[in-house]
Amino acid sequence: SQELEQSPQSLIVQEGKNLTINCTSSKTLYGLYWYKQKYGEGLIFLMMLQKGGEEKSHEKITAKLDEKKQQSSLHITASQPSHAGIYLCGADREYGGATNKLIFGTGTLLAVQP
Amino acid sequence: DSGVTQTPKHLITATGQRVTLRCSPRSGDLSVYWYQQSLDQGLQFLIQYYNGEERAKGNILERFSAQQFPDLHSELNLSSLELGDSALYFCASSHRDGYTDTQYFGPGTRLTVL
Repeated sequence: SQELEQSPQSLIVQEGKNLTINCTSSKTLYGLYWYKQKYGEGLIFLMMLQKGGEEKSHEKITAKLDEKKQQSSLHITASQPSHAGIYLCGADREYGGATNKLIFGTGTLLAVQP
Repeated sequence: DSGVTQTPKHLITATGQRVTLRCSPRSGDLSVYWYQQSLDQGLQFLIQYYNGEERAKGNILERFSAQQFPDLHSELNLSSLELGDSALYFCASSHRDGYTDTQYFGPGTRLTVL
């Protein structure tokens, strides 16, 4: 099984609707990253969460980290077609480690219908 | 645009061949990471270099090797290619080496092995 599970695997929403994507870890989360990827293209960095309870927002995207639940959520408010893509969560596996190799989740494919 | 460049964008080759993928990190970044993305394995960490030295290894095959040069660009060499090596190969860079240093990804090289 994957160390980082994302849910749902895919999501179709109407433009203007809110949505949430979850990322659950089977191990302790130390640093959690959210990236967005257009199919076949590079990953675009969205946000990084480090501390339990931390919440960050950028434009209409909010991410939270629940350390106790070993889970992070990404919430998009009033979705737009430009939000469509694949959302990937990535995690540090070492606390204060000397390297920064990331483990990535399975990805969530988001489609936004106009 | 993340500032990370990768060449070539596409590469088509035959089984048994050898190819070299090239990556230039963002200006000022000392760490370079290589990832492989395939449909069945998802996004997997391969190897990391920091200021010319190997820092961490992931699921990198013995047929694959990498290096980082004094000007900080990096190359990933793939040899004795097999059909299963077909994938998107990403390079990412970060300023430092270590915990919670955000990685910025390049646009990727799509490798097709026929």
